Amino acid sequence: KQEVTQIPAALSVPEGENLVLNCSFTDSAIYNLQWFRQDPGKGLTSLLLIQSSQREQTSGRLNASLDKSSGRSTLYIAASQPGDSATYLCAVRRGVTGGGNKLTFGTGTQLKVEL
Amino acid sequence: EAGVAQSPRYKIIEKRQSVAFWCNPISGHATLYWYQQILGQGPKLLIQFQNNGVVDDSQLPKDRFSAERLKGVDSTLKIQPAKLEDSAVYLCASSFSGIEQFFGPGTRLTVL
Repeated sequence: KQEVTQIPAALSVPEGENLVLNCSFTDSAIYNLQWFRQDPGKGLTSLLLIQSSQREQTSGRLNASLDKSSGRSTLYIAASQPGDSATYLCAVRRGVTGGGNKLTFGTGTQLKVEL
Repeated sequence: EAGVAQSPRYKIIEKRQSVAFWCNPISGHATLYWYQQILGQGPKLLIQFQNNGVVDDSQLPKDRFSAERLKGVDSTLKIQPAKLEDSAVYLCASSFSGIEQFFGPGTRLTVL
């Protein structure tokens, strides 16, 4: 059974700091990994999706890396801003057909960026 | 393009009452998912539909939870009777290709 862990559970940083969020998973047989952002009372917004054959993906100030063999992914946020405050969730997908394309989520990292 | 729609956004009920949630996926998305997110946890898949057929309902508490997607478009998730531990956010998501899922805003359920 796939288990996804995110460390730290909560993080508070001053504005402008670069930061790294960690995600680990127990079963390396994944199809892809996805990072989401969740604002209080809102649904999930997809940030980055990395296919199992890729090493990293970038979007603006966000960079996600994937080391499938060691079961790890990191989300790097450069020059953090108060608007980045949210909960960040990573999720892995085993396949794309049938029940394999369900997402298994971590418990999230709650980020607060302070002025 | 309109996103995934869910209603109601909030619901408060007494334990042992019944409740229903509605989801309308993005047009053309054949796959629809219902997730339960308990406070402080990541979302957990309850049920997955491909068109109007069930693909995975292994984590759905079938003694009290039911879901349907009759015409392969919108879907309803019902809880009857509700328990205190059902308090959570219920998220609906849809997918066209199975590669990426798009989430609705969720329904926050409080059971008193």
